Amino acid sequence: QLQLQESGPGLVKPSETLSLTCTVSGGSISSSYYWGWIRQPPGKGLEWIGSIYYTGSTYYNPSLKSRVTISVDTSKSHFSLNLSSVTASDTAVYYCARRSVTTVTIDYWGQGTLVTVSS
Amino acid sequence: QSALTQPPSASGSPGQSVTISCTGTSSDVGGYKYVSWYQQDPGKAPKLIIYEVSKRPSGVPDRFSGSKSGNTASLTVSGLQAEDEADYYCSSYAGSNNMIFGTGTKVTVL
Repeated sequence: QLQLQESGPGLVKPSETLSLTCTVSGGSISSSYYWGWIRQPPGKGLEWIGSIYYTGSTYYNPSLKSRVTISVDTSKSHFSLNLSSVTASDTAVYYCARRSVTTVTIDYWGQGTLVTVSS
Repeated sequence: QSALTQPPSASGSPGQSVTISCTGTSSDVGGYKYVSWYQQDPGKAPKLIIYEVSKRPSGVPDRFSGSKSGNTASLTVSGLQAEDEADYYCSSYAGSNNMIFGTGTKVTVL
């Protein structure tokens, strides 16, 4: 059974860079899927951040594109999110996920990790 | 890109049906067959219940059904059960490998 697990700091200071890693187990990260990040501010809805293919091709939400970098390390079976110049509005639960290429749907989610932006 | 529009809340008694709408544009919902629906329990990750407008993943009860007309997709939950009380989100492909989510609907079983 495929499993995704987010890891990283739970507290980030304003103006700094938020960095998270998602480790994939129970399946190959080098398979024909996109690997992505979605976030959910407390009490609010879901927002797609971006995704990456195992070859390194990336796709970002236009509203976040200037601050987002997603990378993949197939040797470690993980992919990462960097979000720069964070503010309090970036406080959210961050989910990593797998997106099907063919059905364009998210079929596996990590459990999510809360990241708070505060000094 | 703006979030797809869903009603904030919907409710029904056990055994009844509830339908949730998801309105977008011709650049997302109306332009592709790639509309999905997710169910989210409090404090949990979302769970896929409908993909490609009307298909159900293995293990999802057939009480859940999806449809689309023009720029609006819909999720219907028939024979409501207490366990169906949750938040529901739609999503759509929006071109150029982008995707967009709905604003979310809280379903209450009365």
